[in-house]
Amino acid sequence: DTEVTQTPKHLVMGMTNKKSLKCEQHMGHRAMYWYKQKAKKPPELMFVYSYEKLSINESVPSRFSPECPNSSLLNLHLHALQPEDSALYLCASSQDPGGAGQPQHFGDGTRLSIL
Amino acid sequence: GQQLNQSPQSMFIQEGEDVSMNCTSSSIFNTWLWYKQDPGEGPVLLIALYKAGELTSNGRLTAQFGITRKDSFLNISASIPSDVGIYFCAGRLDMLTFGGGTRLMVKP
Repeated sequence: DTEVTQTPKHLVMGMTNKKSLKCEQHMGHRAMYWYKQKAKKPPELMFVYSYEKLSINESVPSRFSPECPNSSLLNLHLHALQPEDSALYLCASSQDPGGAGQPQHFGDGTRLSIL
Repeated sequence: GQQLNQSPQSMFIQEGEDVSMNCTSSSIFNTWLWYKQDPGEGPVLLIALYKAGELTSNGRLTAQFGITRKDSFLNISASIPSDVGIYFCAGRLDMLTFGGGTRLMVKP
């Protein structure tokens, strides 16, 4: 069982829909991450939140909008996505965002399909 | 940006055999992590390495942080069918950089 919980597990949406992915952790971690993973590829970093503030945006299109309401929650708002955005979206957290090397713990992801 | 070369890309072995995979980089890291990912799930942390030369075991798994800080290996001894999955190395300096993954298949 993962200590990072993601909902929903699966999501199918049309290109004109608006939906949100949710991530929750109760380990007291202060860094949270969104990754995108295509089949048979490693995870690709999208966003990093450090102490509830966006610290890194890896040039992600604006149709993806992250939000960190509090230290335990991380959302990813989706709007006007494209078929190529279909992927597994992984949330992760780590104890601190610095270079101390604390490992990231991943959720099981949301499998997103864009019709 | 930093690149991690992970090899082999895939392995098909007999149950009971030992497995070895490694990652090399052109840049140094201050942390090496090894994850396993099963279908439909997120990566699960297997071993974390924090010091050059460090050798760490977790059950049948053993991993080492290379002394140059540019490489790491993972060994699995006496493989079993549930070892099947994709293994990712990841190096960290500021952010995490993943290797391309090693797909392990085990024949009973």
